[in-house]
Parts: sequence; C-alpha cells; structure tokens
Amino acid sequence: DTAVSQTPKYLVTQMGNDKSIKCEQNLGHDTMYWYKQDSKKFLKIMFSYNNKELIINETVPNRFSPKSPDKAHLNLHINSLELGDSAVYFCASSQLYSLGGSMDTQYFGPGTRLTVL
Amino acid sequence: KQEVTQIPAALSVPEGENLVLNCSFTDSAIYNLQWFRQDPGKGLTSLLLIQSSQREQTSGRLNASLDKSSGRSTLYIAASQPGDSATYLCAQVMEYGNKLVFGAGTILRVKS
Repeated sequence: DTAVSQTPKYLVTQMGNDKSIKCEQNLGHDTMYWYKQDSKKFLKIMFSYNNKELIINETVPNRFSPKSPDKAHLNLHINSLELGDSAVYFCASSQLYSLGGSMDTQYFGPGTRLTVL
Repeated sequence: KQEVTQIPAALSVPEGENLVLNCSFTDSAIYNLQWFRQDPGKGLTSLLLIQSSQREQTSGRLNASLDKSSGRSTLYIAASQPGDSATYLCAQVMEYGNKLVFGAGTILRVKS
C-alpha cells in the first residue's frame, strides 16, 4: 500500500488556468507538508499543516492555497498559473512535529510534475 | 539565513568503494538532520534521521554523523553498489514546524 500518494503524477496546463493537486497519506500522521522542487532540483518547503491547522506558510504567492479537509489529506490549489510555477511538487507527512526523534521523520510522496505552457 | 551546502555536487566511484558525502549547515540551532535518497523521477526516501543530541545513526551499510559545533554532517556508504546510484540530499530540520531546509544534493553514480 502506498503511504503518501499524490494525484495527478503529471499535469500539463495553460497559463492562467486554475488547478489542484491532491495528497493523501494512510500512515495516520498528524502533520503534512508541501514542497516545491524547481528546475535546478532545489527543494523548498511551501506549507505545513498539523491536524488541519496551518503551521508553516513560507513566502509563497497567495495564488497557492492549501486545503486540508481532514488530517489524512492536504490538497494544493493553484490559481492563475504562471510559467514560473512549473516544477515538481512533493507532498510529505510526519507523525508529529518538533517533538524530537523518529516521529519527526518526513515521508514523501512520488511528486507531481506540473508544466505550465 | 539558513543554508545547507553539500559537497561534492557529483561523485562517480567504482563498485565496492567506501565513500563519504558531506553536508554543512549554517544555523547552529539545528534540531534534527535528515538524509534522503532521490531516484530520477521519483520521490524522496528517508535514509536516516539524527537528533541534535545524537552524534551518529546507522542503518545497514549507511552511517550518518552529526557535529553540531562545526556545523557538519557526513553520510558514509560502505561497499557501494550500482543500486546506490541516486541523488543524496541532506536536510536541516528546524525546530519550529519540523521545517526541512535542503541542500542541493550530491549525485552519486556507482559503476559496475
């Protein structure tokens, strides 16, 4: 069984469109994250949620809005897509956060490659 | 500013060699340090997590060390195999929110 899953795996869309990427984890974790990996392969955190509550919101344009309907899901909605949004987006989860030890270990999904034309 | 640097950027070794990947971080308030592996077109696989109170962690042929005072971590891979070929990423785990700050990675190729 897949621990952290993302859909779709590939997403090709036109500039200006609105799109969503879904993430689900079946690990029973309380904390979920979104990361962006740009064309230079550099990974950077975007958001984290703990029990449906926003914990981290890095300096991400407000066109990006995470939505957590329950603690097993953290979806990423992007409005008015721009060329610079093209990247691979990774979802991750951890059992807890900031309590130390293995419970902080983050488990990543397979990624969603977004291409904006 | 939190920065994580990995050296070398790429490494090619013959099968069977022992090798060391280096990671340095600037923020001394490190909470944990986590090493990942990323295969082409795939997600990240967690290899080892070292708590700030620990000096090393071992898993099979992998050994990771952490020296907070010098701001360095190393990942030691013993008896390398072609299947070890991947990009290895280290990430400093910040206390608040369990935020990961990643290095750019080391691309490892083990030749058979």
